[in-house]
Amino acid sequence: DIVMTQSPDSLAVSLGERATINCRSSQSLLSSSNNKNYLVWYQQKPGQPPKLLINWASTREAGVPDRFSGSGSGTDFTLTISSLQAEDVAVYYCQQYYSTPGTFGQGTKLEIK
Amino acid sequence: EVQLVQSGAEVKKPGESLKISCKGSGYSFTNYWIGWVRQMPGRGLEWMGIIYPGGSDTRYSPSVQGQVSISADKSTSTAYLQWSSLKASDTAMYYCARPGTPRVADAFDIWGQGTMVTVSS
Repeated sequence: DIVMTQSPDSLAVSLGERATINCRSSQSLLSSSNNKNYLVWYQQKPGQPPKLLINWASTREAGVPDRFSGSGSGTDFTLTISSLQAEDVAVYYCQQYYSTPGTFGQGTKLEIK
Repeated sequence: EVQLVQSGAEVKKPGESLKISCKGSGYSFTNYWIGWVRQMPGRGLEWMGIIYPGGSDTRYSPSVQGQVSISADKSTSTAYLQWSSLKASDTAMYYCARPGTPRVADAFDIWGQGTMVTVSS
C-alpha cells in the first residue's frame, strides 16, 4: 500500500493569515502516461462527510474559493489557504488514488489562533 | 441532483450480522464506481473498498479483506457493505462515495451522509 503522511497533525493560524499543510507519499503519484498526479485534498467539518477541494494535486473543484490552492508533484504535495477564514476550520485530508487501496493521510486539524 | 442516500444508524451486538446500504440517484448507477470509507470515532478516513456495479469488479483494502463484503444491486441502484460477525472494533461511521468520472476509480466527489454503526454488548 502507498503510505500517505501529512504534517503537521494540527495547526493554529490567525484569521487572514496563510495556512500550509503538507502531504508526502511513500511512492510517486505522477503518472507517466498523462503527466498527472493522482492526489486529492478533502475538507471535513464536524458532523459532515468530506468535501472534495482539490483534484489532480492542483485543480480546484467547482465552487471552491480561490484562497485554496494545491501544489506539488511526485511524492510531495501542499495545500495552501492564502487567507484563513473562520469557515475554514476543519480537518483536511490528502488521498492518493494512484493505486488501490486509495489511502488517506492521517488528517490535519486546522484551528483559529 | 446526484445523491447517495445511506441507511440509518445501527446498534448491534458482537457476533451479529449487518448489511448497510447506499442508494444512488440522479445518475447512471452502473457507470460509476462506488466506494466505502470508514471513520472510527475521533479518527481519520480509511478507504475500505470499491465496486463497479456495471461489471461487479470489487477491490478491497488488505486491512478489511475477508472481514466485510461489498456488493451492488443494479436493479435498485444500491450498494451494500456487509458483515457476517461484527466486532466492537467495527464501531465507526461508514460513508459511501462516488468518483467524479464514469468508469474510473478516481477521487470521490459525491458522498453519502454516513451510517453510524455501534457494536456493543
